[in-house]
Amino acid sequence: GNSVTQMEGPVTLSEEAFLTINCTYTATGYPSLFWYVQYPGEGLQLLLKATKADDKGSNKGFEATYRKETTSFHLEKGSVQVSDSAVYFCALTVNTNAGKSTFGDGTTLTVKP
Amino acid sequence: DTAVSQTPKYLVTQMGNDKSIKCEQNLGHDTMYWYKQDSKKFLKIMFSYNNKELIINETVPNRFSPKSPDKAHLNLHINSLELGDSAVYFCASSQPDLGAFFGQGTRLTVV
Repeated sequence: GNSVTQMEGPVTLSEEAFLTINCTYTATGYPSLFWYVQYPGEGLQLLLKATKADDKGSNKGFEATYRKETTSFHLEKGSVQVSDSAVYFCALTVNTNAGKSTFGDGTTLTVKP
Repeated sequence: DTAVSQTPKYLVTQMGNDKSIKCEQNLGHDTMYWYKQDSKKFLKIMFSYNNKELIINETVPNRFSPKSPDKAHLNLHINSLELGDSAVYFCASSQPDLGAFFGQGTRLTVV
């Protein structure tokens, strides 16, 4: 079956620190990979995606590279802001599975001024 | 324009009651979902519909019944509510490789 394992939280950083949230996956078939962000009191929003090996998704200063050899899709940001405080979810979809998304457990990030 | 909208945003009700949550998407997506998010933020898929047809039904009590009158709507009806049903319920829609678009969530509190 499909599964996503992401770094356990919570993660607390100071403003301007470097962020890495690890994500690894197992999938039957060729998955597309996603990162979602959930701000307090809101729904999940798509942050970035990559649909094939070696693709890099990027948005709002966040990046993640689809690494097929290590089955990973780690999220990085060079300099976090207080406004980045949120819960981050790694996810995958495999088209043969009716587009169903498999989500990781989420990682809570708190950025302190 | 809200892409995926669900109502109500908050729902407080007593045990044993029946309630419904409505969801509409204006993105033209073929597939819609219901997810449950617990207090630890874990997301669990409940149902998935593709063009009004049920395609995924995870292990969910049969007190939960989805209904899709058309491709743009997926409603969730819950019978005989229990304390353990308290959670945030998210509706979402997607197309292959585009990722999922989520509604704002419905916070259900059963007292």
